[in-house]
Amino acid sequence: GESVGLHLPTLSVQEGDNSIINCAYSNSASDYFIWYKQESGKGPQFIIDIRSNMDKRQGQRVTVLLNKTVKHLSLQIAATQPGDSAVYFCAERNTNAGKSTFGDGTTLTVKP
Amino acid sequence: GAGVSQSPSNKVTEKGKDVELRCDPISGHTALYWYRQSLGQGLEFLIYFQGNSAPDKSGLPSDRFSAERTGGSVSTLTIQRTQQEDSAVYLCASSLMGGAQPQHFGDGTRLSIL
Repeated sequence: GESVGLHLPTLSVQEGDNSIINCAYSNSASDYFIWYKQESGKGPQFIIDIRSNMDKRQGQRVTVLLNKTVKHLSLQIAATQPGDSAVYFCAERNTNAGKSTFGDGTTLTVKP
Repeated sequence: GAGVSQSPSNKVTEKGKDVELRCDPISGHTALYWYRQSLGQGLEFLIYFQGNSAPDKSGLPSDRFSAERTGGSVSTLTIQRTQQEDSAVYLCASSLMGGAQPQHFGDGTRLSIL
């Protein structure tokens, strides 16, 4: 069946460094990918998305890269701040199917 | 503007009781989703409503789970004869439509079955 997974469950970085969170997906029919940030006790918060006709998209301090050849997605956070500490989920969707499939999440810890 | 609102934020109940969880989506959002999140885990899809189409119920774990969406807006997730394994955070999300639109999540209902 389809699955979305992350390579590392935890990531610890120094404040000011860049962070890279990786995600692998297996459903080749997925054409829309989303990154969410979830803080403790809160629902996931949308960060950035990318469609399958793109391989890179940039937001404010965040960049998402999509490699469809190897079914890999990454989230890059520039100049990581303590407020970036959270669990990050990738999600993939076949826009004809509607529902999204989420990975188990990577916990990002930013050390001051 | 108002985001997705879920109530109650916490619910503690005894095994065997029925529970109802409510979701108020963002106004104008035609798509509504329910997910379940166990501690330290990802999100497990439960059900998806899109406009007037028949809902996608493929993620409901058993016939004890059901959901309705009245008037294309508010949704209620009902769990009958609750079991301890139903303990989790139940998250609701809405989006402008299905397809390539991000979902906006509420903060969930934390359900604890004693």
